[in-house]
Amino acid sequence: GNSVTQMEGPVTLSEEAFLTINCTYTATGYPSLFWYVQYPGEGLQLLLKATKADDKGSNKGFEATYRKETTSFHLEKGSVQVSDSAVYFCALLNSGGSNYKLTFGKGTLLTVNP
Amino acid sequence: NAGVTQTPKFRVLKTGQSMTLLCAQDMNHEYMYWYRQDPGMGLRLIHYSVGEGTTAKGEVPDGYNVSRLKKQNFLLGLESAAPSQTSVYFCASSWGVQRYNEQFFGPGTRLTVL
Repeated sequence: GNSVTQMEGPVTLSEEAFLTINCTYTATGYPSLFWYVQYPGEGLQLLLKATKADDKGSNKGFEATYRKETTSFHLEKGSVQVSDSAVYFCALLNSGGSNYKLTFGKGTLLTVNP
Repeated sequence: NAGVTQTPKFRVLKTGQSMTLLCAQDMNHEYMYWYRQDPGMGLRLIHYSVGEGTTAKGEVPDGYNVSRLKKQNFLLGLESAAPSQTSVYFCASSWGVQRYNEQFFGPGTRLTVL
């Protein structure tokens, strides 16, 4: 079956620090990969996505590269801000068949201090 | 364009009571989903719908029922609430299951069952 494993948090950083949140996956076929962000008290928002191997998704200074050889999709940002404090979810969507659901990781809480 | 809306935002029930959560989307999406979010568990799919008049079971369907009588609405029902159903419930919608389609999430309903 499909599964997503992401680094456990919480992660606490100072403003302008470099961020990496690791995500690895197990899936059959060729899944699409996503990072969603959940700000306090809100629903999930799509942060970035990649639909095939070697694609790089990017948005708001965040980026992640779809690495098929290592089955990974690590999230990075060069300089975090206080406003980036949120829970980040890695997720995969398998293509084709009758698998209509996103498979989520458990989430990583990021806190950025001024 | 409100996106995905959910009502109510908060609810407290006693064990054995029933209730219905309403999800509405104004994006003309075909697919709609109900998830629950529990600490340390990520999001788990309860039920989903691939079009008006259709429903299907997800990962954790027991104790819930759904209906999709209109394309824009997706209702989640709890016939006899149990404390194990205390959770945050998210509705989502998407154009379809193609690999590039993102799911748009509502703000969530926080349900407590005493």
